[in-house]
Amino acid sequence: EVQLVESGGGLVKPGGSLRLSCAASGFTFSNAWMSWVRQAPGKGLEWVGRIKSKTDGGTTDYAAPVKGRFTISRDDSKNTLYLQMNSLKTEDTAVYYCTTDSDPRSGYHDAFDIWGQGTMVTVSS
Amino acid sequence: SYVLTQPPSVSVAPGKTARITCGGNNIGSKSVHWYQQKPGQAPVLVIYYDSDRPSGIPERFSGSNSGNTATLTISRVEAGDEADYYCQVWDSSSDLVFGGGTKLTVL
Repeated sequence: EVQLVESGGGLVKPGGSLRLSCAASGFTFSNAWMSWVRQAPGKGLEWVGRIKSKTDGGTTDYAAPVKGRFTISRDDSKNTLYLQMNSLKTEDTAVYYCTTDSDPRSGYHDAFDIWGQGTMVTVSS
Repeated sequence: SYVLTQPPSVSVAPGKTARITCGGNNIGSKSVHWYQQKPGQAPVLVIYYDSDRPSGIPERFSGSNSGNTATLTISRVEAGDEADYYCQVWDSSSDLVFGGGTKLTVL
């Protein structure tokens, strides 16, 4: 069964740090470009960033609101994706989803057909 | 930055057709994906590359994209279609962008 399972969410104070994990199974994780998408309470979806497969360079891209504070990494030996979040702000409060496109086309990897259940991050004093 | 504009809400009677629009500058030149999200659940891809349906998505769901507007059409709407719907594109200047979402209410 194709599955993504996030963990690591919780309550953290402003300025603090948190690391989220996303365990993948049922597909070839090492070939996948992986993304994080978040959703603030009562709000819409917001792309956070992605990491490409190592064969495609393994590089990362980030949305402007998190650039310089968040870091995405991967451990293909453990089929796990990570999101290191530093200098957290109250506006980072959201459900964080990991997601991927299992059938990329023509170099595009952004039709997300596999999603985790999400993990809640609350930034509050 | 690239902006996708969706109506906040659309209402439709059961059995009728719902159309949810997604506006963006020359969006017809981009590939548009659509997601359905029910309360407390992760999003589900319902249309990708403008008009393709993933396996398991009913034929009642269809998509089109031209000019400055992409449209998700849901025919013979059912109560179970009530959800939030999001469009999404990749843009060379803004990277990955989601629309603000549309709440579909089945009357």
